[in-house]
Amino acid sequence: DTAVSQTPKYLVTQMGNDKSIKCEQNLGHDTMYWYKQDSKKFLKIMFSYNNKELIINETVPNRFSPKSPDKAHLNLHINSLELGDSAVYFCASSGFGISSEQYFGPGTRLTVT
Amino acid sequence: GESVGLHLPTLSVQEGDNSIINCAYSNSASDYFIWYKQESGKGPQFIIDIRSNMDKRQGQRVTVLLNKTVKHLSLQIAATQPGDSAVYFCAETPTGNQFYFGTGTSLTVIP
Repeated sequence: DTAVSQTPKYLVTQMGNDKSIKCEQNLGHDTMYWYKQDSKKFLKIMFSYNNKELIINETVPNRFSPKSPDKAHLNLHINSLELGDSAVYFCASSGFGISSEQYFGPGTRLTVT
Repeated sequence: GESVGLHLPTLSVQEGDNSIINCAYSNSASDYFIWYKQESGKGPQFIIDIRSNMDKRQGQRVTVLLNKTVKHLSLQIAATQPGDSAVYFCAETPTGNQFYFGTGTSLTVIP
């Protein structure tokens, strides 16, 4: 009964390719997020959706496009992959508003060669 | 963007000793703070949180202290165990939806 799941866990691809990472949560949360963690373990928020609507879009290249078909899913599509996109991508979910604990998925390690 | 930083990138402690991990934040408007633990190959996991109207909160073996005057947060782990070895992050938010994470402190517990 995984709370937040991501697929795939590992993704190795070449520069210029387009790839997607899927995320699903079964917690009934209204809000979902995508974070990027670099090689130095720094975690930075990329996007946040509440009830399928985008509420946070940090300075992220427009090659990254999140899509939320329903409030339990938030997928991340990346076009024209670059070497600098290599990182671990985490999906998370929470209730809406302050004091809402975020639950993180296991992460997807993306390696661009 | 916001700036949340940690004073020490690595920390080694003997099993059974107490650990203290520090964090500085920059946004005076931040109202809510969380400590996360991230084990190798896993996502961050909630440990303990604190609202800005408090200066101390205790959990099981963990205590978070908040000093709003100097914008400083600390996590104290009592009787540190090998299973506590992980990277610890503090995170702050002024809104409840946008969390800013610190750079992380790697804690190693020596048996």
